Amino acid sequence: AQSVTQLGSHVSVSEGALVLLRCNYSSSVPPYLFWYVQYPNQGLQLLLKYTTGATLVKGINGFEAEFKKSETSFHLTKPSAHMSDAAEYFCAVSPFSGGYNKLIFGAGTRLAVHP
Amino acid sequence: DGGITQSPKYLFRKEGQNVTLSCEQNLNHDAMYWYRQDPGQGLRLIYYSQIVNDFQKGDIAEGYSVSREKKESFPLTVTSAQKNPTAFYLCASTPGPTMNTEAFFGQGTRLTVV
Repeated sequence: AQSVTQLGSHVSVSEGALVLLRCNYSSSVPPYLFWYVQYPNQGLQLLLKYTTGATLVKGINGFEAEFKKSETSFHLTKPSAHMSDAAEYFCAVSPFSGGYNKLIFGAGTRLAVHP
Repeated sequence: DGGITQSPKYLFRKEGQNVTLSCEQNLNHDAMYWYRQDPGQGLRLIYYSQIVNDFQKGDIAEGYSVSREKKESFPLTVTSAQKNPTAFYLCASTPGPTMNTEAFFGQGTRLTVV
């Protein structure tokens, strides 16, 4: 079965520090990969996605992620954290085996940013 | 503005009751989805519909039912058979039948059993 693992349910960084949120997936065929952000009591908003092409993907709000097939990873980074980045972040995959007709989510990582 | 509207935002259910969560979209999207969110578990797929009058079970469909009589509407009924319904429910849609594009999410309905 397909799965998505997000290392660290909580990550805390200082304002201005590097943000690194880790995501690994299990799939023999590379799936489509996504990062979504959720603010309290809100829906999810797409940050970025990888389907094909360049493995370094840039998204909104200064975030980017790199697809590494050999490591089955899709880690999310941002060079300098802002207070407004505090939210919960979800890595998700749309697997080939499902005909790309569903999203499988990781458990989420809650990011805290302190002054 | 185009988007997905979920209502109500908060819902309370007594034991043994059925309740229906509303999801409406004006994006002209073909596919719609229902997810359940529990703390520390991410989102899990309940049902999805790729076309009007057709829907498929997701990973946790037991105790839930849906209908898709109109393209813009995909209501979810939480039945009394769902033993632990307290959760945050999210509706989503995509332009086509696959999730290789951005999924648009509603603001969610928080259901609590009292």
